[in-house]
Amino acid sequence: IVLTQSPGTLSLSPGEGATLSCRASQSVDSTFLAWYLQKPGQAPRLLIYGASTRATGIPDRFSGSGSGTDFTLTISRLEPEDFAVYYCQHYRSSLWTFGQGTKVEIK
Amino acid sequence: QLQLHESGPGLVKPSETLSLTCSVSGGSTSSSSYFWGWIRQPPGKGLEWIGTIYYTGNTYYNPSLKRRLTISVETSKNQFSLRLSSVTAADTAVYYCARLIQTGSPRYYFDSWGQGTLVTVSS
Repeated sequence: IVLTQSPGTLSLSPGEGATLSCRASQSVDSTFLAWYLQKPGQAPRLLIYGASTRATGIPDRFSGSGSGTDFTLTISRLEPEDFAVYYCQHYRSSLWTFGQGTKVEIK
Repeated sequence: QLQLHESGPGLVKPSETLSLTCSVSGGSTSSSSYFWGWIRQPPGKGLEWIGTIYYTGNTYYNPSLKRRLTISVETSKNQFSLRLSSVTAADTAVYYCARLIQTGSPRYYFDSWGQGTLVTVSS
């Protein structure tokens, strides 16, 4: 399964909302879909698992949704610390796959 | 609090074997609730899953790396390790170890990560 994230880069201002897409090459089980945030020089951090469940300590401005082949990460109001790269990830049949990432940058 | 720490040489010569160890504290590699995994990230690029291991020694490898890859677990030392043979410059990357949730639903996501270690392949 190939995960394609779009857009590659999103240029937004603090306070604006962001919508990130993750599209799978075939229908996937949303139970095994996760999102991560990576800031420069840091390890990725789990944001969302099971397509829509926020990880511990993740603020409620982050939400995940979707099913089948189309999944979305929404950030309701961007805070300065949210400008980073976001990855989706999926598991199927003993294989783990990451999308190529979406960079959210300050406009 | 779970902590994972990668260790190993930062420089490896082409055609040689890259070896890294992930030391786990605040958790147990012998727990039946988790898998343990390796992920890498070439400079300026995205994340690539390398492989995953269970405390039983069962392994799951990225097909593109399988021929050169060995992942093992040493529960007595609370560590797991990565060996990648016949390396080339394309294997230069930050290598992360991570824990995966493998029980309940949802599962099979990486919930804790090490800080990562840069491995450069160069003569």
